[in-house]
Amino acid sequence: NAGVTQTPKFQVLKTGQSMTLQCAQDMNHEYMSWYRQDPGMGLRLIHYSVGAGITDQGEVPNGYNVSRSTTEDFPLRLLSAAPSQTSVYFCASSRGGEYSGNTIYFGEGSWLTVV
Amino acid sequence: DQQVKQNSPSLSVQEGRISILNCDYTNSMFDYFLWYKKYPAEGPTFLISISSIKDKNEDGRFTVFLNKSAKHLSLHIVPSQPGDSAVYFCAASAGGTSYGKLTFGQGTILTVHP
Repeated sequence: NAGVTQTPKFQVLKTGQSMTLQCAQDMNHEYMSWYRQDPGMGLRLIHYSVGAGITDQGEVPNGYNVSRSTTEDFPLRLLSAAPSQTSVYFCASSRGGEYSGNTIYFGEGSWLTVV
Repeated sequence: DQQVKQNSPSLSVQEGRISILNCDYTNSMFDYFLWYKKYPAEGPTFLISISSIKDKNEDGRFTVFLNKSAKHLSLHIVPSQPGDSAVYFCAASAGGTSYGKLTFGQGTILTVHP
């Protein structure tokens, strides 16, 4: 059972370059999301999806783009990387519906450095 | 505006004693709360959760208490073990389609000494 899989685990980008962080889940979860973690700030929501074809912005969406063409995949695109996007990125997924017994699962993280 | 706050950046506890981690929130729309444990270089791991219709939820050594009137929740770990040493995040979510949208606190580093 793979759960939530993120690739790549580590990446160094030059300012202005673009790239895509991949996220895939094999639990048939409806909800998927991307967070970034910065020192002293906990995790902050970047973008969110409640199902294929439906996305929404989170707290810090600027500079990032997402699409959800399948239930399994939710890639995060950096359009023109900036040093401020140096961070650790986490993808998460969950079932929709009732809270009881429901939890939100996270991938292992992608470490991105923009120089 | 920090809607979820963990005011203690760190906590140090002796093995076998109780660890109490605290979390405060300001958004009255939050109705589901979760605690995550995180080791370095790994993703957050779900620990325990509580719905706003309850004031307590237990799972083994872990108990979460919710005080809605005070907008406060706490995580109790009894007895604490050295393997519990990690960063603990409190997170909150509103209802409906916002369920998977979490607002996190800053985290508390728990160190359990043998």
